[in-house]
Parts: sequence; structure tokens; C-alpha cells
Amino acid sequence: DAGVIQSPRHEVTEMGQEVTLRCKPISGHDYLFWYRQTMMRGLELLIYFNNNVPIDDSGMPEDRFSAKMPNASFSTLKIQPSEPRDSAVYFCASSSTGGAVYEQYFGPGTRLTVT
Amino acid sequence: GENVEQHPSTLSVQEGDSAVIKCTYSDSASNYFPWYKQELGKRPQLIIDIRSNVGEKKDQRIAVTLNKTAKHFSLHITETQPEDSAVYFCAASKKGNKLVFGAGTILRVKS
Repeated sequence: DAGVIQSPRHEVTEMGQEVTLRCKPISGHDYLFWYRQTMMRGLELLIYFNNNVPIDDSGMPEDRFSAKMPNASFSTLKIQPSEPRDSAVYFCASSSTGGAVYEQYFGPGTRLTVT
Repeated sequence: GENVEQHPSTLSVQEGDSAVIKCTYSDSASNYFPWYKQELGKRPQLIIDIRSNVGEKKDQRIAVTLNKTAKHFSLHITETQPEDSAVYFCAASKKGNKLVFGAGTILRVKS
């Protein structure tokens, strides 16, 4: 299995631009999570999906952030418009509840820099 | 909601010594407690986890203990090696899905 795949790995954009981050979870996993990691705030859960349905988006910082999961193998996190304080590493993770397996597998992350 | 506190924030040990990292959680309904290791520039990776029906779990040089009454759990690394140097995160979860992470501990193993 290729593991969780994220793209792009690095993104540099100017303030005000739209940014779209992409994630492909491990095949067969029914949970997908989006995290943001910064030095100041650590690892924060932004939103998670179960069977493509958003379950908890309480961590989404503001309306500029949105996430979708149109099918079981693809999710996007969009920031529009982007701001310098959005600079962070964004991780996607997936897990499966089959057999009560709880482990979350993280993708390699997308390092976002907003100038 | 759940709150996880982790101590210490940094820990330096001599190679071969033991390292202990402690976490406390607030929600007594939490039942799953994983530990992740993150090397510089890499993704967090699960190193060990424990469920609330178990008090201790070991995997070679790594062990985790859980005290449900006190709502705290700890990571123990014995015979530390330079490659153990990384940031370690504890987390807590109900139902095994939404993880709440601690702030992390930077472990430095000096050779």
C-alpha cells in the first residue's frame, strides 16, 4: 500500500490567493482527518470525515477554510483567501474502524508558506 | 472537550539512560492513548498505543503505562539511543477516532 498521499508537498503563495491541498487516504480506510501543525499551536485537528461525511469541523479556524470529501479516495482542504498566518504544515491522516483498529496513518504533509 | 497536557516540553538524556514523558487527560470517557514520534521534517508515526482496559504495554525498549483513576499515562524509553531523538506526542481519544494531542516533548539523546 502506498500509504496516505498528499499533494503538493510544498506550496508557496501570496496573500489573498486560493490554496488547495489534496489528500488520498489509504484504500479501505473510512476515516479521514486534516491537521495543521505550527510551532505555536502544535498539532491541531481541523476537521474529520467518516464515510465521506464531515463529522466534526469545530477545529476549522474560520470561514476561509473549507474541506470536502467527494469520494472515499479523495479529499481537499481549501483556503480562500490565504493569509500569512495560515503558514504551517498541513497533514492528512486516515484510519479504519474495521476490527476496532484505531491507528491513524499520517501523510507526508504539505508545507504551506503564505507571503 | 478533551484536554491533554504533556510534560516535560524538552528532555535531554545521556545515551543509555531512560527517558520518561508524562501526559494527563481530562475526559474520563477517553479510552485510547497513542504515542507518536516525529523526526525533523517528517510525519508523526505511531510507536505504541494503549487502550483503557490495559494498564501497561511494552514493545522492546518502549513501554506505556496508564492510570485511569488519576487520568494519566506515561511513555518510558529504556537504553536510549541517538536515533530516539525526536519530538514525541501523546494523544487521547474516545471511540478511537478524534485524537486530541499533547503539545509534544523534544527528546535529545546525547552521545
